[in-house]
Amino acid sequence: QQQVKQSPQSLIVQKGGISIINCAYENTAFDYFPWYQQFPGKGPALLIAIRPDVSEKKEGRFTISFNKSAKQFSLHIMDSQPGDSATYFCAASTQGGSEKLVFGKGTKLTVNP
Amino acid sequence: EAGVAQSPRYKIIEKRQSVAFWCNPISGHATLYWYQQILGQGPKLLIQFQNNGVVDDSQLPKDRFSAERLKGVDSTLKIQPAKLEDSAVYLCASSSPWTRSYEQYFGPGTRLTVT
Repeated sequence: QQQVKQSPQSLIVQKGGISIINCAYENTAFDYFPWYQQFPGKGPALLIAIRPDVSEKKEGRFTISFNKSAKQFSLHIMDSQPGDSATYFCAASTQGGSEKLVFGKGTKLTVNP
Repeated sequence: EAGVAQSPRYKIIEKRQSVAFWCNPISGHATLYWYQQILGQGPKLLIQFQNNGVVDDSQLPKDRFSAERLKGVDSTLKIQPAKLEDSAVYLCASSSPWTRSYEQYFGPGTRLTVT
């Protein structure tokens, strides 16, 4: 049973554009929602994370929007750059993040120059 | 600060053979995780250790997979015997409750190919 559904599977944007990746979850016990970035041949690396007590978190060009009632959250990448080309995974966890991460299937982002 | 170390980086074996992976977490991280990442999928937790005790192994195929974390530091994951469907990247991660709210730091992974 997939507990975190991620879309789209792949995304192509032009340099300077906005990339938007969406995730939906089912388990209302989730209370920690990170986004991970993975380059080929590397392990995932934490990009940004949010907890359900806020509706938005911004770090540089990356923003998470969180809708608790809809059980959805999304990643927005502003001014997308070719260096942002990677696979992005949303994830969710309980107990503030101390429990296992449940990952979405990933979105392969390609930013064309 | 040194990251999570894993070895080997690549391994090719035939089905029914055995294989072992090694992980050295970030110094001082009490929690260690093993994830399986099948091509085109997100990582899936196999086992979670807190120091040298198992916290969660509900998704570990215990008939063929085993893992241990001696002395609460390094860990090994073993598959015996391997099946074709075990072909995947095996990721080790570690975390500490005292660093950035349980952020999990991942190693580069071991890519296993079973032929």
